[in-house]
Amino acid sequence: EIVLTQSPATLSLSPGERATLSCGASQTVRARYLAWYQQKPGLAPRLLISDASRRATAIPDRFSGSGSGTNFTLTISRLEPEDFAIYYCQQYSGSPPSGTPPTFGGGTRVE
Amino acid sequence: DVRLLESGGGLVQPGGSLRLSCAVSGVTLERHAMSWVRQSPVRGLEWVSGIDEAGARTYYADSVKGRFTISRDNAKNMLWLQMDSLRADDTAVYYCAKPNWNAEADWFGSWGQGALVTVSS
Repeated sequence: EIVLTQSPATLSLSPGERATLSCGASQTVRARYLAWYQQKPGLAPRLLISDASRRATAIPDRFSGSGSGTNFTLTISRLEPEDFAIYYCQQYSGSPPSGTPPTFGGGTRVE
Repeated sequence: DVRLLESGGGLVQPGGSLRLSCAVSGVTLERHAMSWVRQSPVRGLEWVSGIDEAGARTYYADSVKGRFTISRDNAKNMLWLQMDSLRADDTAVYYCAKPNWNAEADWFGSWGQGALVTVSS
């Protein structure tokens, strides 16, 4: 399976600052099949980005995704108070016949 | 909007069984693949299982294969996860989630609120 490693584990920033989160894959993520989620305490993850750079419905444009192959980045251009949360990347490049299951990174906490 | 509501979580002894349910509303379920994803402090977020629109094809993580069974009833707008031979490391919050379209590997646009399963003696 594809192992995703997120860095840093914790990012300490202030509102208005720029956040850059990284997600590295143990092997190439086919067709940029990588998503980003935001999770707040006690809630389910919320989709932010799919296909590495496509913002989900109603996601503000201060969130942007980039990257390909084995290196991906989520950027929050100017942090708002509601953006302090944990962020996860997820790859979904497995399809028949590879059978590679979808996997998630370990998360980056933005505090 | 899609609404997913899990139920059936609880405390179970190692080796025991539990059945999670997910009530789906806001969409025509027969048009959508569905999945279960779990989250624990030890294992993080982990895809567990997926099922295609008709229930004809099912997919499982290696960690649950042979112990868990995913099923659905489109007429009742319900999804289930039968969990047998439960182990301590199955302890997690289990989310019902709707993949974009691919039951085997896709991003998840809708999630339920989660059901806590605790496996302990």
